[in-house]
Amino acid sequence: KAGVTQTPRYLIKTRGQQVTLSCSPISGHRSVSWYQQTPGQGLQFLFEYFSETQRNKGNFPGRFSGRQFSNSRSEMNVSTLELGDSALYLCASSLGSGGPTGELFFGEGSRLTVL
Amino acid sequence: QKEVEQDPGPLSVPEGAIVSLNCTYSNSAFQYFMWYRQYSRKGPELLMYTYSSGNKEDGRFTAQVDKSSKYISLFIRDSQPSDSATYLCAMSGTGGFKTIFGAGTRLFVKA
Repeated sequence: KAGVTQTPRYLIKTRGQQVTLSCSPISGHRSVSWYQQTPGQGLQFLFEYFSETQRNKGNFPGRFSGRQFSNSRSEMNVSTLELGDSALYLCASSLGSGGPTGELFFGEGSRLTVL
Repeated sequence: QKEVEQDPGPLSVPEGAIVSLNCTYSNSAFQYFMWYRQYSRKGPELLMYTYSSGNKEDGRFTAQVDKSSKYISLFIRDSQPSDSATYLCAMSGTGGFKTIFGAGTRLFVKA
């Protein structure tokens, strides 16, 4: 069974640009969560999607957005990049049916560097 | 104040030592408590999953939850160099649909 796939793995952007990251969840998983990981702040919750609907959102500015497609694949977008957006962006999938998301299965992340 | 507090370390111990990792939290709605392990350049993977209070043991690993104190722990017995990784506590509530993580504790086990 294939794991969670994130693309691209590494990318470098400059301030003011925008970026789109992609996540393909494990087959059969309908919930996709996104996290930002930095050395100082650890893993911070961005948002969670289930069946194309955003069910929960973290405390990030509106520059961070996401969506989920009918095949459960998800994308997140960051517009007007700032230096502080440099981080590892992790996607996690889970069955997510009803109650708590349960076990999260993570991809290896997309490492974004903003110059 | 963060919802989940975890000392980032690093924590360095000799091989064979007992390791104690801890987190505190403020949201009494949390019901599910987890520990994830993250190796360098990899995504986190689930190590232990506990519902409500109590202990859970799995091989060399024991997870403890004390909801009255809002305190959770992970103990690693007979630690091995292969246990060197970042350990993240995580928790979620019923119907919350989001899992909140601690900052992670970096552990080094020296051979």
